[in-house]
Amino acid sequence: QVQLQESGPGVVKPSETLSLTCSVSGGSVSSGTYYWSWIRQPPGKGLEWIGYIYYTGRTTYSSSLKSRVIISVDMSKNQFSLKLTSVTDADTALYFCARVGRGTDVWGQGTAVTVSS
Amino acid sequence: DIQMTQSPSSLSTSVGDRVTITCRASQSIATYLSWYQQKPGKAPKLLIYDASTLQSGLPSRFSGGGSGTDFTLTIRSLQPEDFATYYCLQSFSAPYSFGQGTKVEIK
Repeated sequence: QVQLQESGPGVVKPSETLSLTCSVSGGSVSSGTYYWSWIRQPPGKGLEWIGYIYYTGRTTYSSSLKSRVIISVDMSKNQFSLKLTSVTDADTALYFCARVGRGTDVWGQGTAVTVSS
Repeated sequence: DIQMTQSPSSLSTSVGDRVTITCRASQSIATYLSWYQQKPGKAPKLLIYDASTLQSGLPSRFSGGGSGTDFTLTIRSLQPEDFATYYCLQSFSAPYSFGQGTKVEIK
């Protein structure tokens, strides 16, 4: 079955760029059936949808984050990635990658990112 | 952007009880609504999609309903493993948006 695994640094300095990668196994990011999404959860708070990418490269982002977010896909590596620029304390969160089809049915385990100098 | 208002934010209940959680959209989203269960430190788990379709392999005590702007998640006869936080998500139009969550606690 399809599995997703997030990777990236656990600590990012304020004003720098957060970069995370989601590796997909057991399936392909080039499948036209699914979108590939990033979602985050600040400590003790609810889920926040960040954005998604389709295999064609078409993206959609959260209105509150779209000036700072880029989601990209690398079909040769079967991965998709998140870049969030100019981070602040408010970007400290557990970041999930997920597959979106009929519901968001497959999730990575999540990776914790702390913004700290 | 579509706003999702979920209620209640928390509830205390007992094993065997029936629980209903509601989600209201700021505009019609047809049936583009899914429900998730999340336990502390874990990824959310898809329970219901298309407002009322139970995800494969899940127990039938979970059910969803509604269309347009008003939706419900019902858990019939709550089990110990059901104590968790539940979220709705609209996927009618991007940007997608979650409800604020409902924490179901043991009374």
